[in-house]
Amino acid sequence: ELKVEQNPLFLSMQEGKNYTIYCNYSTTSDRLYWYRQDPGKSLESLFVLLSNGAVKQEGRLMASLDTKARLSTLHITAAVHDLSATYFCAVAYNTNAGKSTFGDGTTLTVKP
Amino acid sequence: DGGITQSPKYLFRKEGQNVTLSCEQNLNHDAMYWYRQDPGQGLRLIYYSQIVNDFQKGDIAEGYSVSREKKESFPLTVTSAQKNPTAFYLCASRGTSAQDTQYFGPGTRLTVL
Repeated sequence: ELKVEQNPLFLSMQEGKNYTIYCNYSTTSDRLYWYRQDPGKSLESLFVLLSNGAVKQEGRLMASLDTKARLSTLHITAAVHDLSATYFCAVAYNTNAGKSTFGDGTTLTVKP
Repeated sequence: DGGITQSPKYLFRKEGQNVTLSCEQNLNHDAMYWYRQDPGQGLRLIYYSQIVNDFQKGDIAEGYSVSREKKESFPLTVTSAQKNPTAFYLCASRGTSAQDTQYFGPGTRLTVL
């Protein structure tokens, strides 16, 4: 059974600082997703990482995938208040069916 | 605009009642999914469908049922057999290319009174 662990689960940081969210998973997978969820809202897709060493960047967020270490990171650069949200990683375990296991999420609060 | 719609946004159910949550997409996606989200947790898969007239159980299918009579529609029924149905329910769809992620609807918040 695929297990996905995110840490930290809660993160409070000041504007302008950098931080990294970690997503570890227990079995082999070659596809990993990052999503953002605002309070009371649905999930918004941020990144799809398809291969070992994949790196994608959008604005102040950068995601990477190391399939050998079974680890993905979401790096936040110079945080701003608008980045406050819950971030989920999801690891594919049946790519034909599009099935993934989600982590419990990291709730990020960016303070002025 | 292309997207996924869910209705209703909020739903209240009395114990012993069945309720049906609607999910419609106009993205021309073959695959559709239903998830349940409890406070402070990630999403858990209830049912999924890869093609019309076919669907498969996910990890927590007990107490739920679905149908897939049309490509655009994938309704979820929460039956009285589901003992703890209060949760946020999310519907998603997905295209077929390797780059495809899942696109989520706005969700339905179900509360049992």
